[in-house]
Amino acid sequence: QQQVKQSPQSLIVQKGGIPIINCAYENTAFDYFPWYQQFPGKGPALLIAIRPDVSEKKEGRFTISFNKSAKQFSLHIMDSQPGDSATYFCAASGTGANNLFFGTGTRLTVIP
Amino acid sequence: KAGVTQTPRYLIKTRGQQVTLSCSPISGHRSVSWYQQTPGQGLQFLFEYFSETQRNKGNFPGRFSGRQFSNSRSEMNVSTLELGDSALYLCASSLGQTFSGNTIYFGEGSWLTVV
Repeated sequence: QQQVKQSPQSLIVQKGGIPIINCAYENTAFDYFPWYQQFPGKGPALLIAIRPDVSEKKEGRFTISFNKSAKQFSLHIMDSQPGDSATYFCAASGTGANNLFFGTGTRLTVIP
Repeated sequence: KAGVTQTPRYLIKTRGQQVTLSCSPISGHRSVSWYQQTPGQGLQFLFEYFSETQRNKGNFPGRFSGRQFSNSRSEMNVSTLELGDSALYLCASSLGQTFSGNTIYFGEGSWLTVV
């Protein structure tokens, strides 16, 4: 059973566009929701993370929106650039979860 | 500050053999966790070690094992390799335990091909 469901699987946007990647979870014990960015041949790198006590968090051009009641969270990339082309993973964990569950990934392509 | 270092980067093994992968965490980090990444199953957590003790384990068979040394370096071992074990194996380190919300830093991984 997929603990974290991520969509879409792939996404193509024009430079300057705002790609949105969505994730949903079921386990209410999750209290930590990170997003990772992975370039080909590299390991994932933490992009931004959020806890359920806030509904939005921004770091540079990256924003996480969190909806606790719907058990959903999403990543928005403002003013996307070709250098943002990568695979993005959402994840969820919690002190009681004893695991870090990843979404299936979204391959983002930003066209110049 | 050096990042997470994994060795070897690439290796090819035959079905039935065993393999040992090594991970050196960021200096000062006490937690090391391991992940398997495949196109079909995505990223999956294998296990986590903190202060030389396995703290958490994912849903993998007993052929997958690991250990952590007193200097926080870690190894993972896969015995009786199967074709389906072909994957990118990622190691990550963090200051505190992985599932307490501590930032984890990934290495570049070890590409294992089983033939």
